[in-house]
Amino acid sequence: GAVVSQHPSRVICKSGTSVKIECRSLDFQATTMFWYRQFPKQSLMLMATSNEGSKATYEQGVEKDKFLINHASLTLSTLTVTSAHPEDSSFYICSGLAGPNEQFFGPGTRLTVL
Amino acid sequence: RKEVEQDPGPFNVPEGATVAFNCTYSNSASQSFFWYRQDCRKEPKLLMSVYSSGNEDGRFTAQLNRASQYISLLIRDSKLSDSATYLCVARNDYKLSFGAGTTVTVRA
Repeated sequence: GAVVSQHPSRVICKSGTSVKIECRSLDFQATTMFWYRQFPKQSLMLMATSNEGSKATYEQGVEKDKFLINHASLTLSTLTVTSAHPEDSSFYICSGLAGPNEQFFGPGTRLTVL
Repeated sequence: RKEVEQDPGPFNVPEGATVAFNCTYSNSASQSFFWYRQDCRKEPKLLMSVYSSGNEDGRFTAQLNRASQYISLLIRDSKLSDSATYLCVARNDYKLSFGAGTTVTVRA
């Protein structure tokens, strides 16, 4: 299957700082990428859909000014958590859409906000 | 109401046993369904798609009942390596809705 990478795999930051997470499709072009968040023992929740060259579409309840998404190229999407707080601590996973409706997931980024 | 509901388990079974569990989905417009496997602190990985006619992939059998909006997964001859959380997923257009997962632990 297609490969998606994420960087960093783990990040610890202080409350109030911003954190950027990168999602790259390594062997395919992903015009659409998705960002999910998973809290412990809960399901993956779609946060936003990112389309190359256009604004992201955010799911209900997700603050677009807090979670900034940039999809500047066909192989890279970034998620920036601005002014992070402890309640933003979670597992963030991206996926790239390869072919019709087939998603490949990155390995995830574990964010801990102190 | 969550779009996909699963029995969280855990299901604790001995090696060689058969284990089965299911999920329900609420969106009747969902077009396709999957089981994913997620190991601790890792990303989900596609285990198999689920078809109305039922389908098998080795020791794994999946079934879909659209009338009841119910999906099942059966694992035969469980291996230690089957220990994981199994996520039930419904797709509507390009969007995936995940259940919270069913945890299976296979013991020696």
